[in-house]
Amino acid sequence: DVKVTQSSRYLVKRTGEKVFLECVQDMDHENMFWYRQDPGLGLRLIYFSYDVKMKEKGDIPEGYSVSREKKERFSLILESASTNQTSMYLCASSFSSRYEQYFGPGTRLTVT
Amino acid sequence: AQSVAQPEDQVNVAEGNPLTVKCTYSVSGNPYLFWYVQYPNRGLQFLLKYITGDNLVKGSYGFEAEFNKSQTSFHLKKPSALVSDSALYFCAVRAYSGAGSYQLTFGKGTKLSVIP
Repeated sequence: DVKVTQSSRYLVKRTGEKVFLECVQDMDHENMFWYRQDPGLGLRLIYFSYDVKMKEKGDIPEGYSVSREKKERFSLILESASTNQTSMYLCASSFSSRYEQYFGPGTRLTVT
Repeated sequence: AQSVAQPEDQVNVAEGNPLTVKCTYSVSGNPYLFWYVQYPNRGLQFLLKYITGDNLVKGSYGFEAEFNKSQTSFHLKKPSALVSDSALYFCAVRAYSGAGSYQLTFGKGTKLSVIP
C-alpha cells in the first residue's frame, strides 16, 4: 500500500513565524502536491512537483514556497505565517497524471 | 479553464436506500475524472476513476459512477447506503496546466449523511 505521511497532525504557530510542513511518500512516485482545504472552498492546489528540484505553482501559491531535494520528500514552507493561512494542509503523491493521487492524513495548522 | 461543480452541499439519504452524489465538469479534451471520500479528520481516499472505456465505473466500497459525455456529468452512486458511508465526497477532473504537467481540479465537496 502507498503511504503518504505528514510530519504533524496539528500545529500551532504565531504570526510571523517561519513554518515547515514535511511530506514523505514511500512508493517512488514522480508527482507530489500540496493543497489547502477550507470549508466551502474544497481543495485548492498550492504547489506541485513532477520531479526532484522541479516545482510548479498551483492556484494559490502566494505566501508559500516548496522544496523537493529528494524524490520521496516534498516540503511546504510558510515564510512568514499569517492568520489567513490557518487551514488544513494536505499532501498527495501520484505515479503520473493518469493515476489517482494518494493523500496524507493532513496537518491542521492554526496561526495565532 | 477547467472546472468541477458539485451542486449539492449536502445530501441526506435513509440507510438502505440508493444514493447519488452529483458532479458536472468542464474541461478541454478528453476528461479524466475521479471521486474521493474524506472521513472526519482524515485525508482523502480514492474511490474510483474514469479515463476511458465503459461509461459505468465500479470502485471501492460498492460505489460506482456513470460517465455521461453529452451531459458532462460523472455522478457517484451506490445501490444501498450504509451509515458508515457518511462522509465528505469530492469529485475531481484532471486538467492540463502547461509545460507537460497536469493537475487535478476539485469540486467543493458534498457532505453525505446516511440516516439510520
